[in-house]
Amino acid sequence: SQQGEEDPQALSIQEGENATMNCSYKTSINNLQWYRQNSGRGLVHLILIRSNEREKHSGRLRVTLDTSKKSSSLLITASRAADTASYFCATGGSNYKLTFGKGTLLTVNP
Amino acid sequence: DTAVSQTPKYLVTQMGNDKSIKCEQNLGHDTMYWYKQDSKKFLKIMFSYNNKELIINETVPNRFSPKSPDKAHLNLHINSLELGDSAVYFCASSQGGTSGIGEQYFGPGTRLTVT
Repeated sequence: SQQGEEDPQALSIQEGENATMNCSYKTSINNLQWYRQNSGRGLVHLILIRSNEREKHSGRLRVTLDTSKKSSSLLITASRAADTASYFCATGGSNYKLTFGKGTLLTVNP
Repeated sequence: DTAVSQTPKYLVTQMGNDKSIKCEQNLGHDTMYWYKQDSKKFLKIMFSYNNKELIINETVPNRFSPKSPDKAHLNLHINSLELGDSAVYFCASSQGGTSGIGEQYFGPGTRLTVT
């Protein structure tokens, strides 16, 4: 069953602007991960946030996690054209299974 | 020095044929996965092996059979291909841990087209 649900499905912004994507999920998790997929390529891991963490940073990425609302957000600051890609959240439980959402297609216009 | 590699990258075949996709990882990970990504980009787990043992087997037709000869390799064999099998198949690997699943490393994908 699908776990994560990203919002919005598509987002178009100008270079230099910030991009925010949201993810909601339904059951308890051990961690939540964000991945990027460029067109025609495999997924690339961006960041992992554990269920006992509330915020995590990595370069221009900032991820928040609210377990009470079962939601997470990914913020990309000062976006670049090279950030154009699909972004997926994935929830990890106590087993080896990651369940992916449908993704947000981000387009950064130069 | 590709971390997770898959062959072939593209596969075009006719209905009813049997085909295999191969995956290799050189990261020393103990867990490998097969995912199917459909035309709407929805990514769904199919199988997972941990130390050559099948640990995840989602609701997948038994025409699909994974095989893991060793920890670094996971192959996917598909019998009697159908039109609905057309998709991109991704292999991934990760290192298991006691605190649940960690980050996964994905291969470049195999685009399967069944005509």
